Amino acid sequence: RKEVEQDPGPFNVPEGATVAFNCTYSNSASQSFFWYRQDCRKEPKLLMSVYSSGNEDGRFTAQLNRASQYISLLIRDSKLSDSATYLCVVNMGWLTGGGNKLTFGTGTQLKVEL
Amino acid sequence: DTGVSQDPRHKITKRGQNVTFRCDPISEHNRLYWYRQTLGQGPEFLTYFQNEAQLEKSRLLSDRFSAERPKGSFSTLEIQRTEQGDSAMYLCASSRGGQETQYFGPGTRLLVL
Repeated sequence: RKEVEQDPGPFNVPEGATVAFNCTYSNSASQSFFWYRQDCRKEPKLLMSVYSSGNEDGRFTAQLNRASQYISLLIRDSKLSDSATYLCVVNMGWLTGGGNKLTFGTGTQLKVEL
Repeated sequence: DTGVSQDPRHKITKRGQNVTFRCDPISEHNRLYWYRQTLGQGPEFLTYFQNEAQLEKSRLLSDRFSAERPKGSFSTLEIQRTEQGDSAMYLCASSRGGQETQYFGPGTRLLVL
């Protein structure tokens, strides 16, 4: 089983739609969680951190469910510029001996269309 | 605040040749990471430095791979006797001690013919 699993998509949605991405992780000792965005042939860029209490940044809302080992990202009012690959990322942290390395999912591709 | 830089951005080489990539982290970031990304996959961790010390290496890092960070600033990643399976994007990231966020460079795209 992969450490971080995502539906690769692609998700093709019309502009203005709401789209949700899900991700599951296998190691219950994982300590911090992120969503990164990656444009074609570019480097990953941090979109937002994910907390159990949920967090929102404009049109983006992220949620963590530790009991289910599940992470979600909701994008409201999709824009053409949101088209990218969204990477679910887990950090096991220092306490578990995992160093500070990030473990990435394969990414979910989003295409927002007119 | 300049970001992470990597050089070269692209490298084409023939199988069996050695290649070396450089990464310059954000200044004052004492942690530096190397990742590898192949098509359709997320980045995979290769190795990690805190200052000049290499603290962790992935099993993906075969004995043909070596990384250094001699003065705790820039880092180099060398691949000896390249194979076609080494073709990938090699990403460098850095972070400040005590902070989790890693900032990525633009990557070096390697093609082994």
